[in-house]
Amino acid sequence: DAKTTQPTSMDCAEGRAANLPCNHSTISGNEYVYWYRQIHSQGPQYIIHGLKNNETNEMASLIITEDRKSSTLILPHATLRDTAVYYCIVRVEGGATNKLIFGTGTLLAVQP
Amino acid sequence: DTEVTQTPKHLVMGMTNKKSLKCEQHMGHRAMYWYKQKAKKPPELMFVYSYEKLSINESVPSRFSPECPNSSLLNLHLHALQPEDSALYLCASSQTPGRGQPQHFGDGTRLSIL
Repeated sequence: DAKTTQPTSMDCAEGRAANLPCNHSTISGNEYVYWYRQIHSQGPQYIIHGLKNNETNEMASLIITEDRKSSTLILPHATLRDTAVYYCIVRVEGGATNKLIFGTGTLLAVQP
Repeated sequence: DTEVTQTPKHLVMGMTNKKSLKCEQHMGHRAMYWYKQKAKKPPELMFVYSYEKLSINESVPSRFSPECPNSSLLNLHLHALQPEDSALYLCASSQTPGRGQPQHFGDGTRLSIL
């Protein structure tokens, strides 16, 4: 699975959009981009995933560049409860095993 | 609230004790996972069970012994642990093992070894 690079930390004002970048320059054609987050004292929570098209669900939007070397997770209206570590993970879909390899993630601090 | 339930939430044990961590899910998922997470570090995969059979062991020491008695239950038996084994132990499940289904995590058991 390809390696990802994320900023260590970011701040965002409450009510504003939070844009979390992820670099995955060695991604291959059959690898998906997954995002999870981990709020303090809880287990990781799945947010969204995609291959090459932009994706949106009730939690967030995922924007993947045309060359697929980077992506951005967008939380449209951040709240204090969105303060968490956000993990960007690249993995092969449909492989023999559903194996997640977490990187160090981005600590998003939403400020009041 | 999560759909993956882990018990106990906290556990303190001595190095000579034997204890077990329990994980339960009732979503009909057929893949279950154990992860270990040290403080301020990301989770690291330990074991994967696929259709109640162990499919991945990430070179975990034998003092950790997983067990999957049925499709809803996953145990992690602990024996003769070391202080460096103190960590948050996370259980997860997914619908199928082979396809990239999202994994659902419990909130973990925080283990302290005296």
